[in-house]
Amino acid sequence: EAQVTQNPRYLITVTGKKLTVTCSQNMNHEYMSWYRQDPGLGLRQIYYSMNVEVTDKGDVPEGYKVSRKEKRNFPLILESPSPNQTSLYFCASSLGARTGELFFGEGSRLTVL
Amino acid sequence: GQSLEQPSEVTAVEGAIVQINCTYQTSGFYGLSWYQQHDGGAPTFLSYNALDGLEETGRFSSFLSRSDSYGYLLLQELQMKDSASYFCAVRGGNTGKLIFGQGTTLQVKP
Repeated sequence: EAQVTQNPRYLITVTGKKLTVTCSQNMNHEYMSWYRQDPGLGLRQIYYSMNVEVTDKGDVPEGYKVSRKEKRNFPLILESPSPNQTSLYFCASSLGARTGELFFGEGSRLTVL
Repeated sequence: GQSLEQPSEVTAVEGAIVQINCTYQTSGFYGLSWYQQHDGGAPTFLSYNALDGLEETGRFSSFLSRSDSYGYLLLQELQMKDSASYFCAVRGGNTGKLIFGQGTTLQVKP
């Protein structure tokens, strides 16, 4: 089954404790991206990757890191999480950067205390 | 700056037709997409317009006018299960940046 898988789905952590949210897709997609969703603000892009070893900033990259060492994986790293990073996070992928259809993961709800 | 504007809420009755508008201001343009999101769920793709005109997919249609920087999503024969949030999104220019509107909450009433 074609899918984008994120883990963990839910996480409560404390300020400053490094964490990684994994994202994996099995569709051989070139393009992958991360979003955060906050009430009233819609979906905001954090980082995107056009292909392996190619990543770039979205609209809200501060406090986040990403890497794209393999085509299928695109982890999101919070080196020192802060309470303002409490949010719902989505990973998504598509065939290419110009393709209209994005496939989203189920989301990861992160709470930073 | 880059922005998309869509109404925050729309209410309609079952069986009716509803139109959700989206106007955008972006540097470069590579197409307008629409996504549906039910409470707590993942967004799912509905439609994509790269060129001007109407795209139809079952009960859903999407329209784009690049000269007006405007598009809309048309939902026909509304069903209760169509109650959800709808987002428009634009790929800007020759990058991988994707910008979403703040979403329109559609409430379908019996």
